[in-house]
Amino acid sequence: DAGITQSPRYKITETGRQVTLMCHQTWSHSYMFWYRQDLGHGLRLIYYSAAADITDKGEVPDGYVVSRSKTENFPLTLESATRSQTSVYFCASIGQGLRAVNTGELFFGEGSRLTVL
Amino acid sequence: GQQLNQSPQSMFIQEGEDVSMNCTSSSIFNTWLWYKQDPGEGPVLLIALYKAGELTSNGRLTAQFGITRKDSFLNISASIPSDVGIYFCAGYNFNKFYFGSGTKLNVKP
Repeated sequence: DAGITQSPRYKITETGRQVTLMCHQTWSHSYMFWYRQDLGHGLRLIYYSAAADITDKGEVPDGYVVSRSKTENFPLTLESATRSQTSVYFCASIGQGLRAVNTGELFFGEGSRLTVL
Repeated sequence: GQQLNQSPQSMFIQEGEDVSMNCTSSSIFNTWLWYKQDPGEGPVLLIALYKAGELTSNGRLTAQFGITRKDSFLNISASIPSDVGIYFCAGYNFNKFYFGSGTKLNVKP
């Protein structure tokens, strides 16, 4: 049971470059999320998706783009990376029970640690 | 975004001691969650609580969903060195999650 896998786990890039962080889940959960985790700010929601082809902004969406062409994949793209986007990024999904009802249990991937020089 | 008030921020305890931490909010929640995060890893779900007053255990961990639905606590009994890490709470309503800032637990052997 692989759950949620993120790649790459570590990435160093330069200011202005485009970076894509991948997220893949094997559960077919409908809701997926991207958070960034920074000291002093905790977890902040960047984007979320209720289903394939349905995405919406979270608390800190500026500078990020997402897509969800398939239920299992939810990539996050930094179109032109800035130093302020140096962070740890977590992908997550909500568990589903009977009749695909959301359980409220949020499952996280292992994180992608991004450094922008 | 809304953050939950989690305390204490950090704890230094001796192996074998019991630990208690809590989260409070000005809003009510339908679900309370407790996570542990090890350095360099993603948060791992420890306990999920669904009903006001509910008390749930997972091994040496016990968590309760407050009667007012605005708070929750987590207890760890007989702590061991591998309990070291950051514990944080989360409240859930209508496909949105709100997180505590975390309690950093240090356990001295």
